[in-house]
Amino acid sequence: KQEVTQIPAALSVPEGENLVLNCSFTDSAIYNLQWFRQDPGKGLTSLLLIQSSQREQTSGRLNASLDKSSGRSTLYIAASQPGDSATYLCAVRQGGSEKLVFGKGMKLTVNP
Amino acid sequence: KAGVTQTPRYLIKTRGQQVTLSCSPISGHRSVSWYQQTPGQGLQFLFEYFSETQRNKGNFPGRFSGRQFSNSRSEMNVSTLELGDSALYLCASSRTISGNTIYFGEGSWLTVV
Repeated sequence: KQEVTQIPAALSVPEGENLVLNCSFTDSAIYNLQWFRQDPGKGLTSLLLIQSSQREQTSGRLNASLDKSSGRSTLYIAASQPGDSATYLCAVRQGGSEKLVFGKGMKLTVNP
Repeated sequence: KAGVTQTPRYLIKTRGQQVTLSCSPISGHRSVSWYQQTPGQGLQFLFEYFSETQRNKGNFPGRFSGRQFSNSRSEMNVSTLELGDSALYLCASSRTISGNTIYFGEGSWLTVV
């Protein structure tokens, strides 16, 4: 059974820091991995999608990498801003069943 | 381009009642999936539909059901509501199931009293 883990559960940093958010998964047979952010009381906003054949994707200050063989993905946020404060979730699309399995998320607070 | 639309946004129901939630996917998207989000359990997968067929189902009791219409709009129904069903219910859509980015709606907040 696929399990997705995000550690730590929460992180508080001063503005301007470069951040690395981690996501690990137990079964490497995945179609893709997607990173989301969720603001309080809102739905999820897609940040980046990495297909299983890709190593990384970039969008603005965000860069996500995927190492399928080791079951890891990282989301890199450059020059963090208070507006980046949110909960970040990763999800893997399981091979075979095609189910989307989420981690429990990491709550990020960027202090001005 | 309109995003995923969920209605109603907020609702309060009494134990034992039933509720129906609606989801309109992004135009051109044929896959719709539903999730339950609670503080304790996080995001849990309910079910996923593609072209009116249920493709996947999560580990929820039979009180939770759904369907998808020919225009890709979807509804989910919860019968005999329990206090523990209080949650944010999220709908997401994508063009296909496995290869594409999925987009979420703002969710429907259900409170069972």
